[in-house]
Amino acid sequence: AQSVAQPEDQVNVAEGNPLTVKCTYSVSGNPYLFWYVQYPNRGLQFLLKYITGDNLVKGSYGFEAEFNKSQTSFHLKKPSALVSDSALYFCAVRVYTGGGNKLTFGTGTQLKVEL
Amino acid sequence: SAVISQKPSRDICQRGTSLTIQCQVDSQVTMMFWYRQQPGQSLTLIATANQGSEATYESGFVIDKFPISRPNLTFSTLTVSNMSPEDSSIYLCSVGVGNTEAFFGQGTRLTVV
Repeated sequence: AQSVAQPEDQVNVAEGNPLTVKCTYSVSGNPYLFWYVQYPNRGLQFLLKYITGDNLVKGSYGFEAEFNKSQTSFHLKKPSALVSDSALYFCAVRVYTGGGNKLTFGTGTQLKVEL
Repeated sequence: SAVISQKPSRDICQRGTSLTIQCQVDSQVTMMFWYRQQPGQSLTLIATANQGSEATYESGFVIDKFPISRPNLTFSTLTVSNMSPEDSSIYLCSVGVGNTEAFFGQGTRLTVV
């Protein structure tokens, strides 16, 4: 079975500082990895994905994530945080089995960016 | 990408009643997925809805409680039946595009009183 862990319930960062939101995964096979963001009273918005290729993936709103196979991690990063980045972030994983885009989500990390 | 519209966006319902949530996609998709997000928690997949066949339910979810329809390639409904306060959650519709990322509707925030 596949699983995702987000070890931090909340991350606090000062605006302008770099941010990292951690994610580790467990799958039997090659993973497809995703980051989504959820703003209050909104659905999930896709940020970025890793399928294959370069380990550093760039996504929306200046976010990027680094795939590390040996550490089974896919941490989300941004060089300079904005107050508007404050939201709930979910890491998700899928193993391609031809069964469609069924995702397993982590528990979420609340990011708070303060002035 | 795909644009997904969900209705209603929120509702407050009496226990024992049922609510049907609609999901409309702006393009034809093979699979549609229904997730539940309980308060303060992550997303849990309820079922996969395929056009022309019965939905496939995940462990812990049953058709009698969460009947799903998928009449065509752009539309699906999820019904939450005989509701109790424990059913208070956000319900999200999702579709896959190109066998890679999944896109989500805005969600339906359900409160059962």
